[in-house]
Amino acid sequence: EAQVTQNPRYLITVTGKKLTVTCSQNMNHEYMSWYRQDPGLGLRQIYYSMNVEVTDKGDVPEGYKVSRKEKRNFPLILESPSPNQTSLYFCASSFWGNTEAFFGQGTRLTVV
Amino acid sequence: AQTVTQSQPEMSVQEAETVTLSCTYDTSESNYYLFWYKQPPSRQMILVIRQEAYKQQNATENRFSVNFQKAAKSFSLKISDSQLGDTAMYFCAFMRTNTGANSKLTFGKGITLSVRP
Repeated sequence: EAQVTQNPRYLITVTGKKLTVTCSQNMNHEYMSWYRQDPGLGLRQIYYSMNVEVTDKGDVPEGYKVSRKEKRNFPLILESPSPNQTSLYFCASSFWGNTEAFFGQGTRLTVV
Repeated sequence: AQTVTQSQPEMSVQEAETVTLSCTYDTSESNYYLFWYKQPPSRQMILVIRQEAYKQQNATENRFSVNFQKAAKSFSLKISDSQLGDTAMYFCAFMRTNTGANSKLTFGKGITLSVRP
């Protein structure tokens, strides 16, 4: 089954404790992206990747890092999480230039 | 930069009735795509319908149809014969055609739709 898998689905952590949210897709997509969803703001892009070892900032990249060492994986790293990073996070993937984006199930992150 | 505006935060409709969700956008691009996504309580993002800006014909998908007014930069979603399973948050989204490296979706704030039995 074609899918984008995020883990974990729920996470509560403390300020400053490094964490990684994983994202994996099995469709051989070149393009992958991270979004955060906040009430009253919709979804906003954090980072994106065109292919292996090619990443760039989206609209709200502060406080986040990403890597793309393999085509299927695109982890989101919070080196020192803060409460303002409490949000719902989505990973998405697609073939480059294709408008059909496949979304993961979402990760609900709470930073206390 | 592109912006997408959904001014209604919430709407309610009786089961089997028709409801229209509004969306306006702003862009200087001439070619682009517009989307409506559904997010049920499960949080999954589900593509409802897609419209290519260069196509004058309004897109339809079963009970879902859009009213695309390019000059007015308006893109509303009509849901006919509303069902309880249509209860969800709906997001309007925009994507440039000439994206270069970034196939970014620009989303509106979303609207919560409740279907009453």
